[in-house]
Amino acid sequence: GDQVEQSPSALSLHEGTGSALRCNFTTTMRAVQWFQQNSRGSLINLFYLASGTKENGRLKSTFNSKESYSTLHIRDAQLEDSGTYFCAPYGNEKITFGAGTKLTIKP
Amino acid sequence: NSKVIQTPRYLVKGQGQKAKMRCIPEKGHPVVFWYQQNKNNEFKFLINFQNQEVLQQIDMTEKRFSAECPSNSPCSLEIQSSEAGDSALYLCASSLSWGDSYEQYFGPGTRLTVL
Repeated sequence: GDQVEQSPSALSLHEGTGSALRCNFTTTMRAVQWFQQNSRGSLINLFYLASGTKENGRLKSTFNSKESYSTLHIRDAQLEDSGTYFCAPYGNEKITFGAGTKLTIKP
Repeated sequence: NSKVIQTPRYLVKGQGQKAKMRCIPEKGHPVVFWYQQNKNNEFKFLINFQNQEVLQQIDMTEKRFSAECPSNSPCSLEIQSSEAGDSALYLCASSLSWGDSYEQYFGPGTRLTVL
């Protein structure tokens, strides 16, 4: 079946710093979606990309279909950015969720 | 962000009891999906609808779950006889159409605990 790998599985950042989350997939995907899941379980849509790069505030995401990966960059991290981040690439008329990256932001 | 509404937010049932949850998709979205997220954060697709018709469902859903999306009423997912392993977060999503090119918007989920 389709395989989706997210890295790192967990990440701790101090406020004001930044990092990148990675999502690799083993088959060609047509699009990718990134979500933040907060402590109450709600899935917040961050990005949907069919190609290229999108930016929204302190977040930026890139999707490279040819090389089968996507990245999510966070800069100037804030406490409210804490949560679990999931990538969900689209292919074969379904989405497949990665295992998530648990992000903890420290003061 | 998403305007998908799910009720109730929390549901507690005993083993063998029925458990029913509801979903109102975003206005204008004819396609509805149900997913199960377990305590290990693993997502499982359960079933999807386009308007009132089932598009796809997995075997488990066929046997122990019933789901519908009646016209002019909320969609629903019901577990006929709850088992401990059904304890999970049930997520409803909706989209404009079916296929790879249509973003899915998720509701806040119903967290089911089966005692």
